[in-house]
Amino acid sequence: GQQLNQSPQSMFIQEGEDVSMNCTSSSIFNTWLWYKQEPGEGPVLLIALYKAGELTSNGRLTAQFGITRKDSFLNISASIPSDVGIYFCAGQMGGNNRKLIWGLGTSLAVNP
Amino acid sequence: NAGVMQNPRHLVRRRGQEARLRCSPMKGHSHVYWYRQLPEEGLKFMVYLQKENIIDESGMPKERFSAEFPKEGPSILRIQQVVRGDSAAYFCASSPQWTGSNSEQFFGPGTRLTVL
Repeated sequence: GQQLNQSPQSMFIQEGEDVSMNCTSSSIFNTWLWYKQEPGEGPVLLIALYKAGELTSNGRLTAQFGITRKDSFLNISASIPSDVGIYFCAGQMGGNNRKLIWGLGTSLAVNP
Repeated sequence: NAGVMQNPRHLVRRRGQEARLRCSPMKGHSHVYWYRQLPEEGLKFMVYLQKENIIDESGMPKERFSAEFPKEGPSILRIQQVVRGDSAAYFCASSPQWTGSNSEQFFGPGTRLTVL
């Protein structure tokens, strides 16, 4: 099935560092979503992007919807230990097609 | 304001048995989606339902899997004659009535199915 290319696969950083991860697709999406998942739980929505070029922030998180509509990135500034988890990008084509296509995730570990 | 609820959280079945997974969407949400997640992987879409209608089942295996979202009660994902390969986490998401071309999906905690 269709899948997004998400990188890096994992990151191990020091507390206070900034983090960047991105997703690319061979298809155009009308919506990009970023989720965080912790062990044993469901994904939690962090940021939703609806327009090409859109830059949206949620606290220390910033995400952008690529101009080509085939990519997106997520930045986390000044990381803290509770940022640990797996971050997923998901794309939606929109219109009548509402299913989300997912990346494989970026596993983030933060060293206090 | 309760979120998406799923039960059971953990389900153990022997090969050949049936598994029933339940999902209650967020209050006011009329759209339900089911996804499957294998260990170390992202989620894979299975099916999208509205009340009493299957809208998109392009991700559902052709055999043994079925889903419903009745007028009253939770959405049910049913797996008949389970096999070991069905072991996975199954997540339900819901979204509100479609008012445009895009809509956010909110996820439940998942049901972890283990087939012995």
